Amino acid sequence: NAGVTQTPKFQVLKTGQSMTLQCAQDMNHNSMYWYRQDPGMGLRLIYYSASEGTTDKGEVPNGYNVSRLNKREFSLRLESAAPSQTSVYFCASSDPTANSGNTIYFGEGSWLTVV
Amino acid sequence: AQSVTQLGSHVSVSEGALVLLRCNYSSSVPPYLFWYVQYPNQGLQLLLKYTSAATLVKGINGFEAEFKKSETSFHLTKPSAHMSDAAEYFCAVSESGGNKLVFGAGTILRVKS
Repeated sequence: NAGVTQTPKFQVLKTGQSMTLQCAQDMNHNSMYWYRQDPGMGLRLIYYSASEGTTDKGEVPNGYNVSRLNKREFSLRLESAAPSQTSVYFCASSDPTANSGNTIYFGEGSWLTVV
Repeated sequence: AQSVTQLGSHVSVSEGALVLLRCNYSSSVPPYLFWYVQYPNQGLQLLLKYTSAATLVKGINGFEAEFKKSETSFHLTKPSAHMSDAAEYFCAVSESGGNKLVFGAGTILRVKS
């Protein structure tokens, strides 16, 4: 039971480089999310997608773009990486229509360092 | 806007002692409330959630939390700490049926032998 799978797990970038974090879920969830986690700040929402074909900004969207490729996949792109984007990134998914109270399921995380 | 405050960025207890992790929330609409646990270098795992049913919610690994509307609190407790409980714990809030979770800053639980 894979759940939410994200790649790569570790990445080091130079300032100004671009990269895409990939995420896929196999739970047939409508909603998908990208969060970043920084020490002492909890998790902050970057972008989310309520359903296939829609995306919306979260709390900290600047410097990022997203694509909801299909129901399973939701990618996060850094067009020009900056040291301030050094963080741990988590992809997540949920089904708000379920009686489960919109439980959000997380991937294992991607550790990104920008030097 | 919703928000979550977790009191204490670090909590240390002895093995076998009571665990109490505090969470207060702010929400203009009836909230859903969650506790997640994160072990080192792993993702977040759901411990328990409140979705307007019973106010005392039981979760995995012997944890429970009580929703107190009058105090806008959702504190996490466990009667007897185990070494394996050492982790970071996050409280989160969302609007009922809403898409987005707002997280607290997290509390790191240390368990001393």
